[in-house]
Amino acid sequence: DVKVTQSSRYLVKRTGEKVFLECVQDMDHENMFWYRQDPGLGLRLIYFSYDVKMKEKGDIPEGYSVSREKKERFSLILESASTNQTSMYLCASSLCLEAGPYEQYFGPGTRLTVT
Amino acid sequence: SQQGEEDPQALSIQEGENATMNCSYKTSINNLQWYRQNSGRGLVHLILIRSNEREKHSGRLRVTLDTSKKSSSLLITASRAADTASYFCATDASGIDKIIFGKGTRLHILP
Repeated sequence: DVKVTQSSRYLVKRTGEKVFLECVQDMDHENMFWYRQDPGLGLRLIYFSYDVKMKEKGDIPEGYSVSREKKERFSLILESASTNQTSMYLCASSLCLEAGPYEQYFGPGTRLTVT
Repeated sequence: SQQGEEDPQALSIQEGENATMNCSYKTSINNLQWYRQNSGRGLVHLILIRSNEREKHSGRLRVTLDTSKKSSSLLITASRAADTASYFCATDASGIDKIIFGKGTRLHILP
C-alpha cells in the first residue's frame, strides 16, 4: 500500500514564525502536491513538484515556498506565518505517466493554527 | 480556477438507501476522479473514469460520465454508517498531472 506521511497532525505556531511541514511518500512517485483545505473553499493547490528540485506554483502560492531535495520528500515552508494561513494542509503524491493525471494518495493532513 | 462542482452540497439519507451525488465541470477532460474524506482526515481515492468510458463500478460504487453534458454521478448503493463522509470529484487542470477538486458533497447516513 502507498503510504504518505506528514510530520505533524496538529501544529500551533505564532505569527511571524518560519514553519516547515514535511511530507514523505514510500512508493517512488514522481509527483508530489501540497494543498490547503478551508471550509467553503474546498482543496486548493499551493505547489506541486514533478521531479527532484522541480516545482510549479499552484493556485495560491503566495506566502509559501517548497523544497524537494529527495524524491520521497516534499516540504512546504511558510516563511513568516500569518493568521490567514491557519488551515488544514494536505500532502499527496501520484505517478507521472502518459495519459494522466493519475490517482493521488493523500497523507492524513496537518491542522495548523497560527496565533 | 474551480473546474468541478458537486451537487448537492449536503445529503442525509437512511442507512440502506442509495446515495447519488453529481459533479458538473466546464472544460473537456482526460479523466474524472472521485475521492472520499472522512472527518478531519486525508482524502482517499475511490474511482477514476476516463473520458472514453461511460460507466464504471467498484463494489457498491457506480460512477457514470456524460461528456456531452460535462457531468458525472457517483452512486453508493445500500449505504452504511461508515459511508458518512465528504465526497469530492476532481478533474484535469491545465498541466497534465494537476487536478482540481470541487467543494464536495457532505453525506450523512442516518441510523
